[in-house]
Amino acid sequence: DVKVTQSSRYLVKRTGEKVFLECVQDMDHENMFWYRQDPGLGLRLIYFSYDVKMKEKGDIPEGYSVSREKKERFSLILESASTNQTSMYLCASSLLPLQNTEAFFGQGTRLTVV
Amino acid sequence: AQSVTQPDIHITVSEGASLELRCNYSYGATPYLFWYVQSPGQGLQLLLKYFSGDTLVQGIKGFEAEFKRSQSSFNLRKPSVHWSDAAEYFCAVGAMDSNYQLIWGAGTKLIIKP
Repeated sequence: DVKVTQSSRYLVKRTGEKVFLECVQDMDHENMFWYRQDPGLGLRLIYFSYDVKMKEKGDIPEGYSVSREKKERFSLILESASTNQTSMYLCASSLLPLQNTEAFFGQGTRLTVV
Repeated sequence: AQSVTQPDIHITVSEGASLELRCNYSYGATPYLFWYVQSPGQGLQLLLKYFSGDTLVQGIKGFEAEFKRSQSSFNLRKPSVHWSDAAEYFCAVGAMDSNYQLIWGAGTKLIIKP
């Protein structure tokens, strides 16, 4: 069974903290994605990666960075957390570019910044 | 600009009744079209997709969707809903000329009345 695993389901962090969200996939997929999900806004792409050490900005990269040192792992970093980054974060992976194929999602990390 | 509209934020349906969730898109060429479902506390799962061919597409869990080019629509249907169908449903469009790969609708939350 294919699997995308996010390291935490719930996180509470303080304003100004550096936050790491981890995502691991076991499907040997080339492409990995970080989305942010907010009510009424759907999914907004933060960053994606199509290969190890490669990254591309999505629609809302400000305040975030990413790291992909190994094919199976894609990390999202909030350099200095702010309250407006309180949200649900979803990681996904796909074998092909998303317009051609199915994306597999993790269960999400609900981050609260206080 | 490319966009996806799901006009209904919430829909309430009685168990056993039929369901139709609307999705309209704006895109110059024939897009790739997707419906994903997010059950409570879960990541997103692909229900069905349309790339080409027969405009009526069958998916998992008894869902189907019909691509209507003249109406720029890709509505999701189910003849008889079950309580387990309560979830949020997302329509997405894959644009070949988009660096961001998928354009997402804002989602429709389906509530099932017993």
